Amino acid sequence: QAQLVQSGSELKKPGASVKVSCKASGYTFSSYALNWVRQAPGQGLEWMGWINTNTGHPMYAQGFTGRFVFSLDTSVRKAHLQISSLKAEDTAVYYCAREGIVAVPGAIGGLDIWGQGTMVSVSS
Amino acid sequence: SYELTQPPSVSVSPGQTARITCSGDALPKKYAYWYQQKSGQAPVMVIYEDSKRPSGIPERFSGSSSGTMATLTISGAQVEDEGDYYCYSTDSSGNRVFGTGTKVTVL
Repeated sequence: QAQLVQSGSELKKPGASVKVSCKASGYTFSSYALNWVRQAPGQGLEWMGWINTNTGHPMYAQGFTGRFVFSLDTSVRKAHLQISSLKAEDTAVYYCAREGIVAVPGAIGGLDIWGQGTMVSVSS
Repeated sequence: SYELTQPPSVSVSPGQTARITCSGDALPKKYAYWYQQKSGQAPVMVIYEDSKRPSGIPERFSGSSSGTMATLTISGAQVEDEGDYYCYSTDSSGNRVFGTGTKVTVL
């Protein structure tokens, strides 16, 4: 069955960088966009953006430009989220999620498969 | 920026009906999706494309959308339905957005 498996928890110091990976299995990787979602402790879900797994083109939500980079390694069916110049406020669980396909032209699919989440903690 | 507004909390007794609303200006033209998140777990889709239920989701979960409001209904709520619920949709430019979230308590 389709699934996404993310890399393990990270503890980083302010100013450092972190790379979170998301490995897909059980479906055709390039057929579905991958989204990234952030959830700070005790807070709601926040959409960060998505990456076209066919072209590699990323789209970032407002507030996630500059220090956040989405990338792919299609040879191993992985997507990556890299965050540079980490700040304490980046402390959160980061999820990757597959976007389903909708038959209606122009409509956006829902996030039907989710990774288990990766906790990134930033502390001195 | 575009916002989807939900009530912070909904409380029902077991067996009663819980209704969670999601208000957004683009909803008349955009699909709404609903997610259930239990403590410490990843979200799970319970409704897609306004009113469709994924396989494995109990029939007591249903969705509807009219005008600028989408609604998730849990008919005959069970204790195991407790958790946080989020709506999800897009604005007119294709930017995705989650609702503010609703904590559902069944007791």
